[in-house]
Amino acid sequence: GQNIDQPTEMTATEGAIVQINCTYQTSGFNGLFWYQQHAGEAPTFLSYNVLDGLEEKGRFSSFLSRSKGYSYLLLKELQMKDSASYLCAVSNTGGFKTIFGAGTRLFVKA
Amino acid sequence: DSGVTQTPKHLITATGQRVTLRCSPRSGDLSVYWYQQSLDQGLQFLIQYYNGEERAKGNILERFSAQQFPDLHSELNLSSLELGDSALYFCASSVGRGASNEQFFGPGTRLTVL
Repeated sequence: GQNIDQPTEMTATEGAIVQINCTYQTSGFNGLFWYQQHAGEAPTFLSYNVLDGLEEKGRFSSFLSRSKGYSYLLLKELQMKDSASYLCAVSNTGGFKTIFGAGTRLFVKA
Repeated sequence: DSGVTQTPKHLITATGQRVTLRCSPRSGDLSVYWYQQSLDQGLQFLIQYYNGEERAKGNILERFSAQQFPDLHSELNLSSLELGDSALYFCASSVGRGASNEQFFGPGTRLTVL
């Protein structure tokens, strides 16, 4: 089967750094997505990792370890607008599906 | 604005009824995906179409059906509605048919079943 685990909620302070972890168990792993979703709005794409390592994109970075079934999203210089849910999603080679985790709700406080 | 449009934005109906949700993908995208998101739940994949053909199926109930038309717009039909079907229904589109493609999400249709 497939399983994706993320913390339910996290709180961080404006200007700080926060790391949101995601662990997964799946067969035929192809890649891992991170999406951002503000309350009541559509998810928007942040990153897609296929190979092991860290990919940086501005204030956001995403890391993948395929052997450990582990990824994290790193958000630097947090801003109030970063308060949102962050969804980890895994794509599989065989089933042509993208399976989403339940998401981590991040609260950024002043 | 992702370029994906969904109508209607809100829908309120009664149990036992049938509704149709509509989605137009971004220009050039051939894949359309449907997701259900209930309160405080993650996105549940329902079904994917690629260029008019069903490509992948998730946890879609038998009461639900979908199709993609020659102009690539898609409709999700929900019948014999139950209270538990109240949710946000998202449509997403992508260029390719594989699961490694970035998906662009529409604004969603909020369905309330009373």
